[in-house]
Amino acid sequence: GDSVTQMEGPVTLSEEAFLTINCTYTATGYPSLFWYVQYPGEGLQLLLKATKADDKGSNKGFEATYRKETTSFHLEKGSVQVSDSAVYFCALSDQGAQKLVFGQGTRLTINP
Amino acid sequence: EAGVAQSPRYKIIEKRQSVAFWCNPISGHATLYWYQQILGQGPKLLIQFQNNGVVDDSQLPKDRFSAERLKGVDSTLKIQPAKLEDSAVYLCASSLAGTHEQFFGPGTRLTVL
Repeated sequence: GDSVTQMEGPVTLSEEAFLTINCTYTATGYPSLFWYVQYPGEGLQLLLKATKADDKGSNKGFEATYRKETTSFHLEKGSVQVSDSAVYFCALSDQGAQKLVFGQGTRLTINP
Repeated sequence: EAGVAQSPRYKIIEKRQSVAFWCNPISGHATLYWYQQILGQGPKLLIQFQNNGVVDDSQLPKDRFSAERLKGVDSTLKIQPAKLEDSAVYLCASSLAGTHEQFFGPGTRLTVL
């Protein structure tokens, strides 16, 4: 079945550092790909998405590119802030079904 | 626009007791989902409704879990009887029919002692 694998956490960085969180997927079709973020004490929020190969999703300085050849959707940000501290989830939604299949999440902590 | 509402936010029960969670989706969203998020893991789909019909309940432990969505609006998820391994956050999400973007509620944190 479909699955998503994320880089193991937790990840701790200093403010203004470059961030990469790796995400790879396995799917039978051509899924849509998502990054969700969960801030402390809050619900899951959609951060960005990409619906087809080579699409780049972006929001709040975060970017991820849908790479079909490597089945990856790595999250990047050039300069992180303390307010980016949260848990990040990579997810896919297959063509037919609307349900989301999530990775295990990566906890990110940014120190000032 | 109001978001997805869930209640209660927290619940503590003894094993073998029953518990119910309530979800009110965003107005106009035909599709409603219940996910289970165990600590340290990503959410896992339990059941998906389209209006008041079940689309996918393949991961729902039907011997103890049940869910309904009467009138195609709000929904209730029930566990009877609860086990220790049911301790988790139960998330409700909704989306417009045919779209992939889901909007999540704050979740209900269940602790089974």
